[in-house]
Amino acid sequence: GAVVSQHPSWVICKSGTSVKIECRSLDFQATTMFWYRQFPKQSLMLMATSNEGSKATYEQGVEKDKFLINHASLTLSTLTVTSAHPEDSSFYICSAPWDGNEKLFFGSGTQLSVL
Amino acid sequence: QKEVEQNSGPLSVPEGAIASLNCTYSDRGSQSFFWYRQYSGKSPELIMSIYSNGDKEDGRFTAQLNKASQYVSLLIRDSQPSDSATYLCAVNDNTGGFKTIFGAGTRLFVKA
Repeated sequence: GAVVSQHPSWVICKSGTSVKIECRSLDFQATTMFWYRQFPKQSLMLMATSNEGSKATYEQGVEKDKFLINHASLTLSTLTVTSAHPEDSSFYICSAPWDGNEKLFFGSGTQLSVL
Repeated sequence: QKEVEQNSGPLSVPEGAIASLNCTYSDRGSQSFFWYRQYSGKSPELIMSIYSNGDKEDGRFTAQLNKASQYVSLLIRDSQPSDSATYLCAVNDNTGGFKTIFGAGTRLFVKA
């Protein structure tokens, strides 16, 4: 199966700082990647769709100025949580559809803790 | 709003038994259905996909789809303690763009 690499795996930061999370497709090209957020014991909530070469599409209720997404190449998408606050603490996961179909392969996730 | 519903559980079964996980979805036009397994603190892993009515078997896993009833299920035969995880039902948003809607997941415990 396809491999999606995500890092860092975990990050602890102070309130007000910005955190960048990277998501790479290692053995395939991904024109689209998805960013999810998951709170404890809850399901995955889609935050935004990252599109290579164009602006990301954000889901309703997700602040695009707070969660900056850049899809710089066919293998890399980044999510930057700007001015992070404790309520942003969550598990952030990226995914990419593989081989043109709808099956999603997920990165390993990033546990963000904002103090 | 399109929804995917699952019983949150936990579902507890003894080792060797059959675990049955169920899911319903609201969008009648959905065409693609998936089951993902997620271990605690880890990201989801695709275990089954199903696109047409009926059963699809892969090893100890069987996915069942009934589009008329808008119902998807996953059977795990000969359950093992290593199967203990949260199982997420997912439905592809039929508007295109591969947007996937996830259920809240069912926690499964397999007792040794």
